[in-house]
Amino acid sequence: AQKVTQAQTEISVVEKEDVTLDCVYETRDTTYYLFWYKQPPSGELVFLIRRNSFDEQNEISGRYSWNFQKSTSSFNFTITASQVVDSAVYFCALSEKVGTGRRALTFGSGTRLQVQP
Amino acid sequence: DAGVIQSPRHEVTEMGQEVTLRCKPISGHDYLFWYRQTMMRGLELLIYFNNNVPIDDSGMPEDRFSAKMPNASFSTLKIQPSEPRDSAVYFCASSPRDRVINQPQHFGDGTRLSIL
Repeated sequence: AQKVTQAQTEISVVEKEDVTLDCVYETRDTTYYLFWYKQPPSGELVFLIRRNSFDEQNEISGRYSWNFQKSTSSFNFTITASQVVDSAVYFCALSEKVGTGRRALTFGSGTRLQVQP
Repeated sequence: DAGVIQSPRHEVTEMGQEVTLRCKPISGHDYLFWYRQTMMRGLELLIYFNNNVPIDDSGMPEDRFSAKMPNASFSTLKIQPSEPRDSAVYFCASSPRDRVINQPQHFGDGTRLSIL
């Protein structure tokens, strides 16, 4: 089973639409962290948010918001009033302990978001 | 502040040649990571260092791959001999001193490697 599942391979929306990117994770660790990264067409990876397993508060940053629900092991990302500049591949990632002093950061396969003008 | 700096940005070489990718982490960051991104396998962690010491190299695909970090400001990922299936974008990332599990990783712009 995948550690991080982003079931939506590609999403296409029209500018100003709201869009939600899904992320479902799997871990046995009680202390873990979840991340979202953006990879625009230029190729670099840009950190968006980190959330720890003890903090289920939703977070809003401008047009971006994140919904973390431990009960469903999901960490979904919503973009409100999408813009063309939001077009990118978005990765969800899980950081968990895998042994003494060791950790692993596992990325989902990414969701490609296309925002049409 | 300067981010993670990778070089070269692009590399095209023939199969069998040695390839060396370079990375300069953000100053003060104690953790350094090497990732590979391909269409087929997505983003994969190859190896990471803490204070210049390799901690986990279980993601290194084969003995043809090696990574070193001779000092806190420089790391290399070497492929020898290179093969066409090594073609990918290789990212370097660094994280601050705190427990790496809870720190965001800052990524470089990547090296796009093409092996002909």
